Amino acid sequence: GAGVSQSPSNKVTEKGKDVELRCDPISGHTALYWYRQRLGQGLEFLIYFQGNSAPDKSGLPSDRFSAERTGESVSTLTIQRTQQEDSAVYLCASSLEAGGPSEQYFGPGTRLTVT
Amino acid sequence: GQNIDQPTEMTATEGAIVQINCTYQTSGFNGLFWYQQHAGEAPTFLSYNVLDGLEEKGRFSSFLSRSKGYSYLLLKELQMKDSASYLCAVLDSNYQLIWGAGTKLIIKP
Repeated sequence: GAGVSQSPSNKVTEKGKDVELRCDPISGHTALYWYRQRLGQGLEFLIYFQGNSAPDKSGLPSDRFSAERTGESVSTLTIQRTQQEDSAVYLCASSLEAGGPSEQYFGPGTRLTVT
Repeated sequence: GQNIDQPTEMTATEGAIVQINCTYQTSGFNGLFWYQQHAGEAPTFLSYNVLDGLEEKGRFSSFLSRSKGYSYLLLKELQMKDSASYLCAVLDSNYQLIWGAGTKLIIKP
């Protein structure tokens, strides 16, 4: 079946504007993760969803960041009042379940540039 | 705090062998993953270790020593396509994946 998809692939926005990033996980995967990766750096965990449980928001860097997920399907990551420091690639991953040896399957990412 | 250490960059020759090390200090341990990430692409899964020892998978092998908080990824018969970043990640006691910054591997002909 199809892998994890993300849209848009690239987004250029002006400082102060809001952006919404979308992730479609692999069908049947109950766990969904959002990461941020700045140029040349490792993955920074943002948030994860597991089924209908309350999401783990411990990685969100500020209250400008929020995410939602409808059931076990699409998720959206919203960044309000974007800042230049938000420029990065935002990666979404899904796995059969959170924790355990379930590998994470990553989408191609959304490259966000805040001017 | 939780910490994953990997070398920033390594260089190796096509056809040779390279070992990429990873040391970790985490709150608990429920397994260690290695992922490969080509420039501009998403990470892809390579291996998972939860018990001590060596796991071999084709040209790639991954080793774990839980008592030493240490793992390595061994790549044999290097090919140019192996040029990529290799990410070490540890599943902590809360089953949260803690990621290292990655090791950029450069393969020279």
